[in-house]
Amino acid sequence: EAGVVQSPRYKIIEKKQPVAFWCNPISGHNTLYWYRQNLGQGPELLIRYENEEAVDDSQLPKDRFSAERLKGVDSTLKIQPAELGDSAVYLCASSLVRFYEQYFGPGTRLTVT
Amino acid sequence: GESVGLHLPTLSVQEGDNSIINCAYSNSASDYFIWYKQESGKGPQFIIDIRSNMDKRQGQRVTVLLNKTVKHLSLQIAATQPGDSAVYFCAAPPMEYGNKLVFGAGTILRVKS
Repeated sequence: EAGVVQSPRYKIIEKKQPVAFWCNPISGHNTLYWYRQNLGQGPELLIRYENEEAVDDSQLPKDRFSAERLKGVDSTLKIQPAELGDSAVYLCASSLVRFYEQYFGPGTRLTVT
Repeated sequence: GESVGLHLPTLSVQEGDNSIINCAYSNSASDYFIWYKQESGKGPQFIIDIRSNMDKRQGQRVTVLLNKTVKHLSLQIAATQPGDSAVYFCAAPPMEYGNKLVFGAGTILRVKS
């Protein structure tokens, strides 16, 4: 069974530029999460989807971050414009039955210069 | 406020020895406590969970101990192997936040051969 797929794996952009990350969850997993992980810290939830509905986006900086999960499968996380402080690893995860048993992708390491 | 923290940021053990990774939590209302493992360049991987009405749970080479009196959680790894080298996170879902995991900062486990 394929795991959670994310692309790109690495991205380097200049500040004020836009960037987008893509995630394909495990087949059949209705719940999808986007996390941000800063160096030396644990992941922090940005947004959670149940199918195509964003049910928790309280930690998403909505002035510059947006996300979508069309058709309840793949998801895209966008930052526009990027700031230096956005440099981090962006992780996508999905879960099926037990919300605390999440399957993570390898992440996208974003560097903003 | 809600926090999940770790006592030791780095733990070095000899291959074959047992490892004990500790975690303190502040929210007594969590129903579950979960351990994740994150290898370098990868996303976190679910290891094991323990419900708040239990004080011990065993998995394959791992044992979780929960001491609710002192709000302490530990992960014991038997016969530590080089493949166990990773960052270990404890996580708890605060009941007032619904199905949301809050991760601690992590403990680095280094296995010496």
